[in-house]
Amino acid sequence: DGGITQSPKYLFRKEGQNVTLSCEQNLNHDAMYWYRQDPGQGLRLIYYSQIVNDFQKGDIAEGYSVSREKKESFPLTVTSAQKNPTAFYLCASSQTAEAFFGQGTRLTVV
Amino acid sequence: AQKVTQAQTEISVVEKEDVTLDCVYETRDTTYYLFWYKQPPSGELVFLIRRNSFDEQNEISGRYSWNFQKSTSSFNFTITASQVVDSAVYFCALSRGWGGANNLFFGTGTRLTVIP
Repeated sequence: DGGITQSPKYLFRKEGQNVTLSCEQNLNHDAMYWYRQDPGQGLRLIYYSQIVNDFQKGDIAEGYSVSREKKESFPLTVTSAQKNPTAFYLCASSQTAEAFFGQGTRLTVV
Repeated sequence: AQKVTQAQTEISVVEKEDVTLDCVYETRDTTYYLFWYKQPPSGELVFLIRRNSFDEQNEISGRYSWNFQKSTSSFNFTITASQVVDSAVYFCALSRGWGGANNLFFGTGTRLTVIP
């Protein structure tokens, strides 16, 4: 089935560690996105990429980094510089106006 | 500036009742899209509908219907004869122009609980 796969579903990180969240899509979409969701809030855009080897900062990029070496993959690294990383992270892809989302990764800092 | 307001934080209804989720938006753009997404407990956002700013026709899809009124900047979502499987968080979103998800502005969501 075509779709977006995020892994892992749950991730625990110690303070000071970098962690990488995986996002893979087989929809052949050009554009991919990372959003952060906090309780009681809407989604906020972290980074997006409209084409391989190119990406742009979203509204809350500080403390995060991404790469887009392949069309199918858009991993997100949460660095130790991100002061409040505990959140639900959603990856999405799109070819036209609709975005299609993965099932998310819940990151908890312990 | 773009803004989406979903004033209803949580709604509870008894199964088979009808329920309307409100969405009010602000934009100075003349071309934009409006969306509704459903987020079930599993976490992923499921696309429900897209409407462009030039199409104010209401839409019905099974038990779901959407009412788009530019005069009041509203894009409300009604579920008829609600079912337990409708329990989820529902997000309204606004897209600048015809852009992709990098131009999406989300509301804070409405949590709907359908009680059996």
